Order: sequence, then structure tokens, then C-alpha cells
Amino acid sequence: AQSVTQLGSHVSVSEGALVLLRCNYSSSVPPYLFWYVQYPNQGLQLLLKYTTGATLVKGINGFEAEFKKSETSFHLTKPSAHMSDAAEYFCAVSPSGGYNKLIFGAGTRLAVHP
Amino acid sequence: DVKVTQSSRYLVKRTGEKVFLECVQDMDHENMFWYRQDPGLGLRLIYFSYDVKMKEKGDIPEGYSVSREKKERFSLILESASTNQTSMYLCASAQGAQNEKLFFGSGTQLSVL
Repeated sequence: AQSVTQLGSHVSVSEGALVLLRCNYSSSVPPYLFWYVQYPNQGLQLLLKYTTGATLVKGINGFEAEFKKSETSFHLTKPSAHMSDAAEYFCAVSPSGGYNKLIFGAGTRLAVHP
Repeated sequence: DVKVTQSSRYLVKRTGEKVFLECVQDMDHENMFWYRQDPGLGLRLIYFSYDVKMKEKGDIPEGYSVSREKKERFSLILESASTNQTSMYLCASAQGAQNEKLFFGSGTQLSVL
């Protein structure tokens, strides 16, 4: 079975500061890992994904995440926060291979203040 | 531009009513999903469909049913709405078995009074 834990339901950073959103997963098979973002009054959009290959993946809007198998983590980072990054972020996992469905974490709401 | 359209942004219904939530995608995707989103719980999968007339239960199917008569349309049905079904409902679609990218609608905020 798969599960996702996002540490911190709310994170607040200053504009220009590092953004770090934490995600740990459990999976009985090699996972596919995803980060989605939800802006106010919108559906979710894919930020980035890890399936196979390079463990550091880059996404849209300057975000990146690193798959660390030994730590079962897939933390999301951005070097310099922008006001427009304020949103809710969801980590998700699915098993690789064959038909699958995504399991989402509880979400982390990111606030960016001037 | 790809699109997943949910028929209503806000709905208010009474306890015991039958409720239909409609979702249409224009990307010819095989797979469609219904999630509910609640604060602190993230997204939980209610039902999904990987083909016309095919459906599978997700993690929380109780009190819900679905219909997929056409490839582009996936309906969520609350047979007898209850107050604990007050939630944000999100529809999504994806192509292929790996579901490597889900496209989401904007959501329907359902209030059951």
C-alpha cells in the first residue's frame, strides 16, 4: 500500500527566501512521485514528477524536487519565493508499472509575505 | 488548451436529495477520476473509470455512485445526500495506464444542509 505524509500543513516564508516543502512516502514497489499546486479557486496543476532516471527533477515556476530512496522523501524546493507562489501544494505517490491511481498527501499551504 | 469542465462551481442541496455532479473533458482521455477535498485530509479518491462503462471504487466510495456512458463525461451521483458529504469535489482526467499527468477541473463546492 502507498501513503504520503506532508510535514507542516502551513508554511510561511518571506519573499526571496528559500521554499522547502517536505514530503515522505511509503510504497511497497518503486514509486512514481508528483507535486501538484492549487491556486485559489482553481483545480490542481502538475508542478513536477519523478518516474525513473535522474533523481533531481525540475518543474515549472522554478521549483525542483529530489527523490531520495534511502530517506523515502521527495521534498519540494525553490531558491527564492515569489508572492505568486502562495498556494496549496500536494505531494502524491503511485506505484510504478501497470495501471495505478494517485494517493495524495494532506497538502501544505504556502504563504509568502513581503 | 486542454480542459476539464465541471458543471457547477457551487451547489447547495438538502439532506436526502439525489445530487448529480457532471464532468466533461475534451482531451479524449481514457481515465477519469472523482476526488473529494477536505481541509487537513487532502484529496481522497472516490471512484475512477478507465474506459466507457467501466468503473472502480476508490478509497471512499460509500454513499456515491458514478456513470460513464460516453468517453468524455464522468458523472458522480450522491443517491441520498447527507451533511457529511459537504465538500469540494474535484474531477480529473488522464491518458494511459501510468496516469503520469492528471488534468483537474476547478471543482464543485457542495453544501448539504
